[in-house]
Amino acid sequence: AQKVTQAQTEISVVEKEDVTLDCVYETRDTTYYLFWYKQPPSGELVFLIRRNSFDEQNEISGRYSWNFQKSTSSFNFTITASQVVDSAVYFCALSETGANSKLTFGKGITLSVRP
Amino acid sequence: ETGVTQSPTHLIKTRGQQVTLRCSSQSGHNTVSWYQQALGQGPQFIFQYYREEENGRGNFPPRFSGLQFPNYSSELNVNALELDDSALYLCASSLRRTEAFFGQGTRLTVV
Repeated sequence: AQKVTQAQTEISVVEKEDVTLDCVYETRDTTYYLFWYKQPPSGELVFLIRRNSFDEQNEISGRYSWNFQKSTSSFNFTITASQVVDSAVYFCALSETGANSKLTFGKGITLSVRP
Repeated sequence: ETGVTQSPTHLIKTRGQQVTLRCSSQSGHNTVSWYQQALGQGPQFIFQYYREEENGRGNFPPRFSGLQFPNYSSELNVNALELDDSALYLCASSLRRTEAFFGQGTRLTVV
């Protein structure tokens, strides 16, 4: 069975601070996908990134960066120079490559960025 | 290109009633998944439809059922509503096995 653990529940930072959101996953599959989604107060889940299990290269997109380490089953997300607009709930999710592509989500991390 | 749209946005129902939630998938997407998100929790997979057939189901009772239409839009039906069914219901569309894009959700309150 697959499982995603986001041990941090709430993080509060001051604007311009860097912040890292942790994600640890469990799966028996050798091929899988990892995701991060952002959920602002409006409720919609906004797709941020998809990474497949064969690609351990770190990725940077503007102020966002992701660190995938298969050896520790972690897929951490860092926001550099945080902004108030980054305040949201962030979910890490896992999808195996079986017949369907269902997502297994963690419980989410509430990030508050104060001015 | 239109995104995923869900209707209604909010709904209040009485315990024991039935409800139908609707989802229009993003243009070109043939796969629709439904998730239930209780307050303070991550979304939980209900089921997925691919080309009008159910393609996987999570741990939800049979009173949760669905449909996908030829234009790939979808409905989620819940019979005999219980108080614990109160949640945000999210629809996501994708091409098979690619990243899913979510709608804004339907907030269901059962009283």
